[in-house]
Amino acid sequence: AQSVTQLDSQVPVFEEAPVELRCNYSSSVSVYLFWYVQYPNQGLQLLLKYLSGSTLVKGINGFEAEFNKSQTSFHLRKPSVHISDTAEYFCASDSSYKLIFGSGTRLLVRP
Amino acid sequence: DTEVTQTPKHLVMGMTNKKSLKCEQHMGHRAMYWYKQKAKKPPELMFVYSYEKLSINESVPSRFSPECPNSSLLNLHLHALQPEDSALYLCASSRDRGPKSPDTQYFGPGTRLTVL
Repeated sequence: AQSVTQLDSQVPVFEEAPVELRCNYSSSVSVYLFWYVQYPNQGLQLLLKYLSGSTLVKGINGFEAEFNKSQTSFHLRKPSVHISDTAEYFCASDSSYKLIFGSGTRLLVRP
Repeated sequence: DTEVTQTPKHLVMGMTNKKSLKCEQHMGHRAMYWYKQKAKKPPELMFVYSYEKLSINESVPSRFSPECPNSSLLNLHLHALQPEDSALYLCASSRDRGPKSPDTQYFGPGTRLTVL
């Protein structure tokens, strides 16, 4: 069965510091991976996706992620975070219409 | 344009009420989804419509009744809900290229439902 694991429930970081949010997946079939961000009291916004092709994927708001098949990982990175990046981040994998979500990582950016 | 709209934004209802949540998209997508999200949890899939036909029902109680009147609209009819049904209800849509060719799901802002 397909599953997605986000290893950190909360990541505190100071403003302008780099950040990495970790995501690992398990799948025996083709892998389609996504990162979504959810700001308080809002829906989910797509940050970036990996369907095929280049393993380094660039998204909105300066985020990027690298698909690593050997480590079954799809970690999200940003070189310099802003206060406005404080939100919940969900990694997800697609399996026959179903998005399999990780448990989420709360990014808390402090001044 | 990647907008999915949902109305109302907030809804408070009693356990004997009947209400409906509405979702609309104009991206030409042919797959539409309902998710339920409890606080501090990821969204949980409830229903999937593909070309206006129900294709997935994740064993959701019958007090939730989905409806897809056309390719742009998706409704969720609510009746005799319980307080534990209080949650954020999210709608999403995607192009439908079949179950073996997934595509990006775009989410609406959600309806915050409180059942008293």
